[in-house]
Amino acid sequence: DTEVTQTPKHLVMGMTNKKSLKCEQHMGHRAMYWYKQKAKKPPELMFVYSYEKLSINESVPSRFSPECPNSSLLNLHLHALQPEDSALYLCASSQLGLAKNIQYFGAGTRLSVL
Amino acid sequence: GQQLNQSPQSMFIQEGEDVSMNCTSSSIFNTWLWYKQDPGEGPVLLIALYKAGELTSNGRLTAQFGITRKDSFLNISASIPSDVGIYFCAGLASGTYKYIFGTGTRLKVLA
Repeated sequence: DTEVTQTPKHLVMGMTNKKSLKCEQHMGHRAMYWYKQKAKKPPELMFVYSYEKLSINESVPSRFSPECPNSSLLNLHLHALQPEDSALYLCASSQLGLAKNIQYFGAGTRLSVL
Repeated sequence: GQQLNQSPQSMFIQEGEDVSMNCTSSSIFNTWLWYKQDPGEGPVLLIALYKAGELTSNGRLTAQFGITRKDSFLNISASIPSDVGIYFCAGLASGTYKYIFGTGTRLKVLA
């Protein structure tokens, strides 16, 4: 099983709303990632968690707040977003410490900020 | 952030034709991954490469890890309409788990 599950599939929110994106994997992977992707562009790394600790923050604005409650779950809390934050948000996971390090993606959450 | 140069940027081909695309970097990578992404979906892994010179196939797809470790190539033989999509390469350097993505190749197949 190489499945990464993201919910919701679609999300529309106002600029004053608070919402959360969820990601789950059961492959035993100890690295989990959040990416933001604009149309026709490659995924842009936002955060990396390794062993449930935040290891990379690519200078993401504080209105995006990641959380890793356990080794299988990753959340992205959203607050006071701007219309330019509208994008496809992708979660991914991979093994750590192995030579063959493959990253698997979820289907994404399509976010629209009004 | 850093991106890999991927070419061509887009291509229109006839069904049944072969397709070639490549990815180049100024840095050395230990792992190359190739993904296909359909509109509104997440990238799906096609092929993973781990050694310089390695040639790996997955059905009609063949990918190679360049000898210099700074490039990779993907070939699709006898293209079919469902090959339509965006193809991304991704490289991983030693001692990191931050993947660097290519700029993408958009493939359109004319029936």
